[in-house]
Formats: sequence, C-alpha cells, structure tokens
Amino acid sequence: AQSVTQPDIHITVSEGASLELRCNYSYGATPYLFWYVQSPGQGLQLLLKYFSGDTLVQGIKGFEAEFKRSQSSFNLRKPSVHWSDAAEYFCAVGAYGNEKLTFGTGTRLTIIP
Amino acid sequence: EADIYQTPRYLVIGTGKKITLECSQTMGHDKMYWYQQDPGMELHLIHYSYGVNSTEKGDLSSESTVSRIRTEHFPLTLESARPSHTSQYLCASSPYGARTDTQYFGPGTRLTVL
Repeated sequence: AQSVTQPDIHITVSEGASLELRCNYSYGATPYLFWYVQSPGQGLQLLLKYFSGDTLVQGIKGFEAEFKRSQSSFNLRKPSVHWSDAAEYFCAVGAYGNEKLTFGTGTRLTIIP
Repeated sequence: EADIYQTPRYLVIGTGKKITLECSQTMGHDKMYWYQQDPGMELHLIHYSYGVNSTEKGDLSSESTVSRIRTEHFPLTLESARPSHTSQYLCASSPYGARTDTQYFGPGTRLTVL
C-alpha cells in the first residue's frame, strides 16, 4: 500500500527566507506525486505534480519540487516566501491505474515579518 | 481554474437530522471523490465514483451514502447526523484517464452536528 509522511507538522519562516517542506513516500513502483496547498476555510489547490521525466518540477506561485527516487522523497521548495504563502501544505501520492490519492498529514506554514 | 462547487459552505445542524451535501462540477470530469478532513489532519477518502451509476466506498468507513445520477453531480447524504460526523467534507473531481490524474477540489463544507 502507498503511504506519505510529512515529518514537519508546523514550520515558521521569516518573510523573504527560503523554504523547504519535506515529503517522503512509500510505494513499490514509480509513484505519481503531488503538492497541494490549502488556505484556511478553503479547498485544496494544486501547486505541482510529478508523473515522469525531469525530476525537478516547477509549479505555480514560485514553488518547485524535486523527486529523488533513492531517498523516496519529493520535497517542496521556494527561494523566498511571501506572507501570502502561509497555509497548510499537503503532499500526496498516487500510482498508475490507481484512482485514489493518499495524502500526508500536512505541514502548516507560518510566515513571520 | 477548476469549476467545482460545494453547498452549503457551512452547516450547523442538530442530531438526528438528515442532510445532503451538494457537489457539482462543470468540467465534464468522469471521476469524483468525497474526502473527510478533521482539523490538522490528512484527508481521508470516503467515497468515489468513476462515472454515472458508479459509486465505491473509500478507505475510511463512513455512514454517509452517495449517488451519481448525472456526470456533474455527486451529492453526499447522511440519513441521521451525529456529533461524530462533525468535520470538513471536501469534494474533488478528475478527468478520465488510465493514470491517476490531477484532482480538482471544491471549497469544502464544514459540518457541525450539535
């Protein structure tokens, strides 16, 4: 069965600083990997996804993520965060022929001035 | 921008009432999903559908039921609400395909059962 671990429950970053959110997955074959963002009281918005090809994926809002098969990781990065980036971030894993996504428990990002 | 709608956005209701949470999408997506999300927790899949007249139970057992009579509509019903049903319910859809494709989410319904 596939699973996702987001080891950081809550991260606080200063505005303008760089950000890295960790995601580790467990799946036997090549996974499909996603990062979603959820603002308070809202649904989830897709930031980026990886299916195959280039392991460095660019997303919306200046985010990027790198798929590292050897480490079973798909960490999300942003070089300089903005106050509007404060939200909950979810990593998810799927697989070919599997219609379901498995989500991590999320990382809450707080931005301080 | 995905067009998927959920109503109501917030619902406070007493124990024992029957409720229906509405979810509609205008993208013609075949696949639709219902997730339950408690505060600070991951999303748990409770129902999904591959198309009209197709419904399946998800990974998390739920007392709710769903129907899929029209492609664009995937309502969730609780026959008798209880306080344990208090949660946020998120609806999502994705286009038909052989692989797991991007799921587009609605804004959610926050349900409180007193």
